[in-house]
Amino acid sequence: KAGVTQTPRYLIKTRGQQVTLSCSPISGHRSVSWYQQTPGQGLQFLFEYFSETQRNKGNFPGRFSGRQFSNSRSEMNVSTLELGDSALYLCASSLVPSGKNEQFFGPGTRLTVL
Amino acid sequence: AQKVTQAQTEISVVEKEDVTLDCVYETRDTTYYLFWYKQPPSGELVFLIRRNSFDEQNEISGRYSWNFQKSTSSFNFTITASQVVDSAVYFCALSEAQGAQKLVFGQGTRLTINP
Repeated sequence: KAGVTQTPRYLIKTRGQQVTLSCSPISGHRSVSWYQQTPGQGLQFLFEYFSETQRNKGNFPGRFSGRQFSNSRSEMNVSTLELGDSALYLCASSLVPSGKNEQFFGPGTRLTVL
Repeated sequence: AQKVTQAQTEISVVEKEDVTLDCVYETRDTTYYLFWYKQPPSGELVFLIRRNSFDEQNEISGRYSWNFQKSTSSFNFTITASQVVDSAVYFCALSEAQGAQKLVFGQGTRLTINP
């Protein structure tokens, strides 16, 4: 069974631009979560989607948004990029949203903002 | 609020030594789940173990073992006879039981196994 896939793997953008990252969950998984990883803040929860609905959002500004499609694939968007948005963005999937379910992570998208 | 603390930022040992990674957590929930993940240089987080708050039984999987002590809010991870391939960043994480698919991670421990 294929794992979680994320595209693109690497991105370089400049300040003020916007970016869209894509995540395809494991087949059959319907819950998708996004995390941001930086050296300073570590791994932080961004948001979670299930059945095309955002169920939870972390403490991030409104510039960060996302959506989920009917096939469970998810995208996240960051508008008006800032230097501090440079990070590894990780997507994770699980069967259904439940604290007990292990989340399976993709390889991440490394975003560099210049 | 939930919090996970991994006090050891970096650990370096020689191959075949045993090493323990510490994890202390805070939560007001009575039911919760604890996880350990491994992040090799490739960046992908690899699930290692899940433990629920009602199960304090220690677990052993090959060279890996986990010690969960609710009384001290700790969930420590021991690698026995470490190998170079164990080198990675290890994260301890906490989630609430109901609904939310949100993991709260510790800062991670970078483990280096030297040959």
